[in-house]
Amino acid sequence: SQQGEEDPQALSIQEGENATMNCSYKTSINNLQWYRQNSGRGLVHLILIRSNEREKHSGRLRVTLDTSKKSSSLLITASRAADTASYFCATDIGNTPLVFGKGTRLSVIA
Amino acid sequence: DTEVTQTPKHLVMGMTNKKSLKCEQHMGHRAMYWYKQKAKKPPELMFVYSYEKLSINESVPSRFSPECPNSSLLNLHLHALQPEDSALYLCASSQATGYGYTFGSGTRLTVV
Repeated sequence: SQQGEEDPQALSIQEGENATMNCSYKTSINNLQWYRQNSGRGLVHLILIRSNEREKHSGRLRVTLDTSKKSSSLLITASRAADTASYFCATDIGNTPLVFGKGTRLSVIA
Repeated sequence: DTEVTQTPKHLVMGMTNKKSLKCEQHMGHRAMYWYKQKAKKPPELMFVYSYEKLSINESVPSRFSPECPNSSLLNLHLHALQPEDSALYLCASSQATGYGYTFGSGTRLTVV
């Protein structure tokens, strides 16, 4: 069963614009992770934010976590064509494997 | 070495064939996973190995048989598959619960 739900399902932006994806989940978590998947390839771990953290940065990525609303957002600033991919959030709720959301398909148009 | 290596990258097999997928990591990760992913869907968990022992089987049909010969290697044996089993099969590993996963690039399986 899926724990996280990403929004929007698909997003198309121009190169240089910012892209924001949201993830909502249902139960308490230990941490929330974001992954990127280029077409037909494996997933790449982007960032992990723990339940006691509110914001985290990695390069052009900014992740926020609001445990009261059970939601997270991933912001990609100054997007590039190479950022075109599917982005998944995944929740860690304890001694169970990650459960992935449905994903957001991001298209960055040059 | 910070990679998970999956072989083969592509596999086409008939419904009566027996084949195996291989996954290898040398990061000392003690948890290893098999996921199945259909087009435009999220990865779905199949199996989890923790310290070389099968800890989770997500009610996967017996035509899929996992094996963990040692802490670095994970196999998925395939037998009498159906066309609907065609998918991208992803292997991943993690240091422990609470850490990120490292994924391989996957095996694209087509059952004919």
